[in-house]
Amino acid sequence: AQSVTQPDIHITVSEGASLELRCNYSYGATPYLFWYVQSPGQGLQLLLKYFSGDTLVQGIKGFEAEFKRSQSSFNLRKPSVHWSDAAEYFCAVASGDTGRRALTFGSGTRLQVQP
Amino acid sequence: NAGVTQTPKFQVLKTGQSMTLQCAQDMNHNSMYWYRQDPGMGLRLIYYSASEGTTDKGEVPNGYNVSRLNKREFSLRLESAAPSQTSVYFCASSEVGRKQNIQYFGAGTRLSVL
Repeated sequence: AQSVTQPDIHITVSEGASLELRCNYSYGATPYLFWYVQSPGQGLQLLLKYFSGDTLVQGIKGFEAEFKRSQSSFNLRKPSVHWSDAAEYFCAVASGDTGRRALTFGSGTRLQVQP
Repeated sequence: NAGVTQTPKFQVLKTGQSMTLQCAQDMNHNSMYWYRQDPGMGLRLIYYSASEGTTDKGEVPNGYNVSRLNKREFSLRLESAAPSQTSVYFCASSEVGRKQNIQYFGAGTRLSVL
């Protein structure tokens, strides 16, 4: 069964500092990988996705993520964090078969941004 | 440009009461999903519907039933609510294909069972 681990429950960074959120997945075949962001009281918004091809993917709001098959990782990065980036971030994996394709989520990382 | 619409946004129930959470999408997607979100546990799949007329259990289906009324609507029913069902419920939809499966989420329903 597929699984996703986000080792950091809570991260605090200063505004303008760089950010890296970790995500490790467990899945036998080539995974479909996603990062979603959830602002307080809101639904989930897709930041970026990886299906195949270039292992460095760009997303919205200046985020990027790198797929590393050898490390089973899909870490999210941003060079300079803005106060509006404070939110909870979820990594997710979808199975590659043509049936279910429901997402398996990590437990989330809550990002706090200090002024 | 509504996307995925969930009603109600908030609900308080007493133990044993029943209710139905409604979800509708206007993106002509085939697949729809119900998740619950609990602190420290991310989102867990309750039920999904790969296409109109089909539904399947997810990771945590006990205590829930679903109906895929038509292509647009996918409802989640709690027949006899329990305090353990206090959670935030999210509906999502997607168009499944080789390079698809981008799921779009509603704003959620916050449910408290007393």
